[in-house]
Parts: sequence; structure tokens; C-alpha cells
Amino acid sequence: DAGVTQTPRHEVAEKGQTIILKCEPVSGHNDLFWYRQTKIQGLELLSYFRSKSLMEDGGAFKDRFKAEMLNSSFSTLKIQPTEPKDSAVYLCASSLGQNTEVFFGKGTRLTVV
Amino acid sequence: GEQVEQLPSILRVQEGSSASINCTYENSASNYFPWYKQEPGENPKLIIDIRSNMERKQTQGLIVLLDKKAKRFSLHITDTQPGDSAMYFCAASGNYAQGLTFGLGTRVSVFP
Repeated sequence: DAGVTQTPRHEVAEKGQTIILKCEPVSGHNDLFWYRQTKIQGLELLSYFRSKSLMEDGGAFKDRFKAEMLNSSFSTLKIQPTEPKDSAVYLCASSLGQNTEVFFGKGTRLTVV
Repeated sequence: GEQVEQLPSILRVQEGSSASINCTYENSASNYFPWYKQEPGENPKLIIDIRSNMERKQTQGLIVLLDKKAKRFSLHITDTQPGDSAMYFCAASGNYAQGLTFGLGTRVSVFP
């Protein structure tokens, strides 16, 4: 079985650009998460979908971050406009449902210059 | 929401000894507490979890304890080996509509 697939693995953007990160969850999983990982803040939840419905949109991340799930096998995270402080690893994850094992993708390392 | 505090942030232990990581949470509705291990350059992977109907769980050199009254749970790695060197994250489930909330992580280093 394929795990969670994220593309691209690395992204370099100039300040002010729009970038779109992509994620394919594990087939059959109902829950999909986007996390941002930094050394200072650890793993921060950006968005949470259950059966394609947005359950949580990450509060403080709402203004420039937008996650979408157009179908059960594909999600995108758009950051618009990017800022240098957005430099981090963005992890997509999925699970069968509440309180089940969450599987993480290998992440996209974003550098904003 | 949920807030999870994880301590210590750094832990150095001698090979063969035990390592303990402690986490506390705030939301009494949390009922699922997984632990993830992340090796350098890799994604986090589940190593053990415990649900609120249990107080203790053990598997392959790992022990998890849960104290619901104190809203505290802990991971104990027995007989540590070099392969146990990694980042470890605890997490709590929060309410039904929330994703997992993670602690900030503990960097465990096992030295000879």
C-alpha cells in the first residue's frame, strides 16, 4: 500500500509568491491533516478534514493559508502570499478516523527567501 | 482546544538505561494519546498509543502510563539502544472535531 504522498519534496519561493503543496492520503482514509513543523513551534495543526469536510482551519493560520480537499484522494495547501517566516516543513497526514493511527507523509520543505 | 506540554525537551541517557518523557494535557475530553518517533530526515511514525480506558500499556521495550485525574501521561523506554536516538512527540486527541495536538517534542540521545 502506498503511504501518504506529498509533492514537491522541496520548494523555494520568493517572498510574496503563491505556492501550492499537494497531498495524496492513504487510500480509504477519511481524515486528512496538514501540519507545519518547525524546531521552535513543533507540529502545528493547519487544517483538518473529515470525509472532505473542513473540521478545523488552524485559527491563526487562516489569513494566508488555505487547504482544500476536492476529492477523497487529493488535498492542496495554498500559501498566499508567502513570507520568510513560513519557511518550515509542511506535513500532510491521514487516518481512518478519530483516534486511529495517523500516517504522515515525508513532508515538503519550504524555504521562502 | 487542547494544549499539550512535553518535558524534557532534551534527554541524554546511557545505553542500557531507561528514558522517561512526560506530557500533560488540558482537555478532559481527550481520550486518545499516541506517541510518535521521528528520526532525522524522516516523517513521524507511531510507536505506541493508549486510550483513556487504560492506565498502562506495554510493547517491545516501551511502556506508556496514563493518569486521567492528573491529566498526565508518560513514555518509558526500557533498556535504551542507539537506535532509540530520535525525536519523540506525545499527542492528545482533544474533542471529537479536533485533530491531534502534539507536544513540542523530546530529543533523546543514547550514548555508549
